[in-house]
Amino acid sequence: NAGVTQTPKFQVLKTGQSMTLQCAQDMNHEYMSWYRQDPGMGLRLIHYSVGAGITDQGEVPNGYNVSRSTTEDFPLRLLSAAPSQTSVYFCASSYSRTRVYEQYFGPGTRLTVT
Amino acid sequence: DAKTTQPNSMESNEEEPVHLPCNHSTISGTDYIHWYRQLPSQGPEYVIHGLTSNVNNRMASLAIAEDRKSSTLILHRATLRDAAVYYCILRDRLPMNRDDKIIFGKGTRLHILP
Repeated sequence: NAGVTQTPKFQVLKTGQSMTLQCAQDMNHEYMSWYRQDPGMGLRLIHYSVGAGITDQGEVPNGYNVSRSTTEDFPLRLLSAAPSQTSVYFCASSYSRTRVYEQYFGPGTRLTVT
Repeated sequence: DAKTTQPNSMESNEEEPVHLPCNHSTISGTDYIHWYRQLPSQGPEYVIHGLTSNVNNRMASLAIAEDRKSSTLILHRATLRDAAVYYCILRDRLPMNRDDKIIFGKGTRLHILP
């Protein structure tokens, strides 16, 4: 198994541009989530999904959209990038909402918005 | 989910045991205590979890106070590879009492001295 994969690893955007961060898992996990981590800070939950077709907001959802059309993929869309969205983004998955404590994280995408 | 309090940072010498504390004075009777760690430039990884009894696994031990208002993650023999940020998180084991979000705090940054 590849586990949780994220692409790209690095990205530089200009203010106002849009882009999609990709996340995929091959473990047939129902639960997936997106976090951001700013320098020296802990992780903050952006959006999460308990299964295909179901998404919900986390702590800091503004400026981000998600969809979950398949079990495997959970892309994160930045609608109009802002410098405040410069961060490292982590995607995670777990078997189900009842085992969400056992999350597996991807390697992260480092995003810089200029 | 109830809140946790951890020291911002700790230091330990290599090959010595490390005790990482976590206070959770408002813990409910059905909250699990979970620990994650985040190695430099990586996503977090699950370490251990417990409810009432002390728990051991290949990575660490979790000691839970009798009143459950605090817990301690024990690394029995720290190595340089254990330098990481350690997060203590509470999560209610009853689906009716929780939402599906996992919220990370700032954690404890553990420095290992050679």
